[in-house]
Amino acid sequence: DTGVSQDPRHKITKRGQNVTFRCDPISEHNRLYWYRQTLGQGPEFLTYFQNEAQLEKSRLLSDRFSAERPKGSFSTLEIQRTEQGDSAMYLCASSPPDSSTGSPLHFGNGTRLTVT
Amino acid sequence: RKEVEQDPGPFNVPEGATVAFNCTYSNSASQSFFWYRQDCRKEPKLLMSVYSSGNEDGRFTAQLNRASQYISLLIRDSKLSDSATYLCVVNMRGGGADGLTFGKGTHLIIQP
Repeated sequence: DTGVSQDPRHKITKRGQNVTFRCDPISEHNRLYWYRQTLGQGPEFLTYFQNEAQLEKSRLLSDRFSAERPKGSFSTLEIQRTEQGDSAMYLCASSPPDSSTGSPLHFGNGTRLTVT
Repeated sequence: RKEVEQDPGPFNVPEGATVAFNCTYSNSASQSFFWYRQDCRKEPKLLMSVYSSGNEDGRFTAQLNRASQYISLLIRDSKLSDSATYLCVVNMRGGGADGLTFGKGTHLIIQP
């Protein structure tokens, strides 16, 4: 098990372009999360999948953002018409089926997006 | 009141000292609590869960105070390698992995 994998590690794009990030969770984890983190802030929740179902989306997730997990394994996060304010670290995390105490998250290395 | 609040620091502490910091949360129904550690430009990693009775893992002790709605992290005999940002994480929905809310983190610097 290699942990949560994210690709690419870094992405530089021009404003207005579309970008897509990929996340491969730990294989036996059915829950997958996307977070965004900017400097000096904690990770902010974006969206959550349980298997292939997208169960929750944050108000932070504008119409330009879309996430998929078509087969319940890897997930993609797409940002359309990027803006400079989208520059951040995008973190993917996964967790196993829930226990009564809550399952901790296993994070990937993140994709650092810079919009110029 | 913010959902999860931490003193951002930085806390500058000499090596070998004991340091403690708190995290307050707003939702009294919260049931799951965690401390994560994040090194500069790295991903957060779970440090320890926080249990109702308090728990210890080596030099680290975590405690929960439900009445005052805060959790704490105490580090004894601090090492240079403890320098990092410590993120408080609370399940704001009360149980389960959904709705985990992160604080902004407390920056700790251990000085030689």
